[in-house]
Amino acid sequence: AQTVTQSQPEMSVQEAETVTLSCTYDTSESDYYLFWYKQPPSRQMILVIRQEAYKQQNATENRFSVNFQKAAKSFSLKISDSQLGDAAMYFCAYPRGSTLGRLYFGRGTQLTVWP
Amino acid sequence: EPEVTQTPSHQVTQMGQEVILRCVPISNHLYFYWYRQILGQKVEFLVSFYNNEISEKSEIFDDQFSVERPDGSNFTLKIRSTKLEDSAMYFCASSDGTEAFFGQGTRLTVV
Repeated sequence: AQTVTQSQPEMSVQEAETVTLSCTYDTSESDYYLFWYKQPPSRQMILVIRQEAYKQQNATENRFSVNFQKAAKSFSLKISDSQLGDAAMYFCAYPRGSTLGRLYFGRGTQLTVWP
Repeated sequence: EPEVTQTPSHQVTQMGQEVILRCVPISNHLYFYWYRQILGQKVEFLVSFYNNEISEKSEIFDDQFSVERPDGSNFTLKIRSTKLEDSAMYFCASSDGTEAFFGQGTRLTVV
């Protein structure tokens, strides 16, 4: 069974500093995708970044990057130069199936950004 | 930028009543989904829909739930006889096969 584990229910970071959110997952597949979604207080789910497992290079989107360790089944999100607007719940997600919309989510990490 | 829209944003209903949650997916997407998030808990998959039929459903999606794409643009989730434990945020998502785009959610409160 596919599971996604986020071991940090809450994290906090000072504005302009860097923070890393952890995620581990379980799968028997060799080729797959992984996603990080952000859920601000508005409750909308917003895709932050995606990683394709067959790519060895870690994905990067502006201030957001991942540290993907396939053998360890680890997929952490690094937020650099944190901004107040980054405060949100962050979910790691693993899709099952080829359409990438059937997602298993972790329990989320609530990120607080201090000015 | 195209987006998934959901209506209403907040619905309050009495226990035992039927509710219909509405979603307009992104127009060229072919795969549609409903998810549920009970307050303080993780987001859970309910059902996926493709080619006018359910392609997969979770154990949560029992006989009280149904989905429909009545007119080629809307995608609805019906809860036939609501229970208190159905109170949650319901998210619609659509996909072109490369990633899922979520709506802003409907907060359902059953009283």
